[in-house]
Order: sequence, then structure tokens, then C-alpha cells
Amino acid sequence: DGGITQSPKYLFRKEGQNVTLSCEQNLNHDAMYWYRQDPGQGLRLIYYSQIVNDFQKGDIAEGYSVSREKKESFPLTVTSAQKNPTAFYLCASSIYRDAGPTENEQFFGPGTRLTVL
Amino acid sequence: QQPVQSPQAVILREGEDAVINCSSSKALYSVHWYRQKHGEAPVFLMILLKGGEQKGHEKISASFNEKKQQSSLYLTASQLSYSGTYFCGARGLQGGNSGGSNYKLTFGKGTLLTVNP
Repeated sequence: DGGITQSPKYLFRKEGQNVTLSCEQNLNHDAMYWYRQDPGQGLRLIYYSQIVNDFQKGDIAEGYSVSREKKESFPLTVTSAQKNPTAFYLCASSIYRDAGPTENEQFFGPGTRLTVL
Repeated sequence: QQPVQSPQAVILREGEDAVINCSSSKALYSVHWYRQKHGEAPVFLMILLKGGEQKGHEKISASFNEKKQQSSLYLTASQLSYSGTYFCGARGLQGGNSGGSNYKLTFGKGTLLTVNP
């Protein structure tokens, strides 16, 4: 079955450590996204990528970094510069069309809950 | 800017109806609706496009008023399985009314729907 996997489901880290969250998809989607979810805040976009080797900052990119070396993978690194990293992180993917007349839904992974102690 | 959703929360008895609203301060190309159960990934419900096209769920309907930059999600004869948090995601027009689409999807803070027996 096609889908998006995120690992691990729960992650604990000490303050000041960088941590990388994994996101893999086998849907053959070009576009991938990272969102952060905090209680009562909805989904806020961290980074997104439309094609391999290219990515753009979202609304809350400070303290995060990403890479897109393969179409299937879009890992997110939470750096020590992120002041409040404890949150639920969601990865998503979708078909990408450049300013086309149709839209496509985003498919979400199960999420990683990061707790920084 | 995040679209504004109302109400923030609603409690229903099984079989009752509900309307969830989503308002944006900017011109919109499309509105996406997702439902998320606690601790799980958001699941796609519907997309409404500028011009009237819709894609999505058979049992849930929605409207999109382009002039008012608003969308409403209509949940009729609610079932227990409808419980969850509903998010709207708004995609703006690139460069105003150019007809294209800004690639980013900006989500509202969500509406918590609880359906009781």
C-alpha cells in the first residue's frame, strides 16, 4: 500500500541537541511538506519542497532545516536554535501542479511527537 | 495570515446538523477541508475551487463564497464518527486576481466537533 511513514512516533531529546525527524513516501508525489502542530494553533507550515534538491521556507522556518536529496524522502532537523521545539510534527505530500486549474489533496503521515526535556 | 474558523468548538447529539465556517482576509483560489482525530493524521475531506468546482467526500457538503472569501462545511445527520477537529486550509491567489495560485496552504486553528450518542 502506498503512503507516508514518519519515524519515530515518539521522540525525546535533551535541550540543546539537534534531532532529525524522518519522512518517507512511496506515492510518487513531487511535493512534500512539514507542519508543526501545537494545541489550539492548527497546522503551521515549516518547510515545503516542490521538487528534488529544492525547498522553500514556510511560515515558521526559524530553528529548522530540511533536505530533499531524493523524491521519496524529506527529513526535518530541529536544531538547538529552535526555542520551543516540543510539538507534534506532521509530514505531508501531494501531487504538484504549477498554477494549474485543479487542486490536489495533501496526504499526511502519522506524525512524530517530539518532547524536549 | 491564518484563516479564521468558527465556532471554535461545537457539541452535537447524533443526528443533529452543524456548520463550520472559514474566513480569510485575502483573495482565495481554493479552500481545503480536513478532519483530524486526536493523535492521528489529518484526513482529506473536500476541496473547493474558485469557479465552483468541488472534489471530495460524498456525505459532507461545503460552499465557497469567493467574493466574501469564506467557506462553510455542512455536516448533516451527524454520526459518532464525525467527531474530531476540522481544519480549513486556504490557498491564496498569486499576485492578486492573476488566476494562478500561491502554492502554500495556510490552515486555520481548527474547530473541535464532538458528537454524543
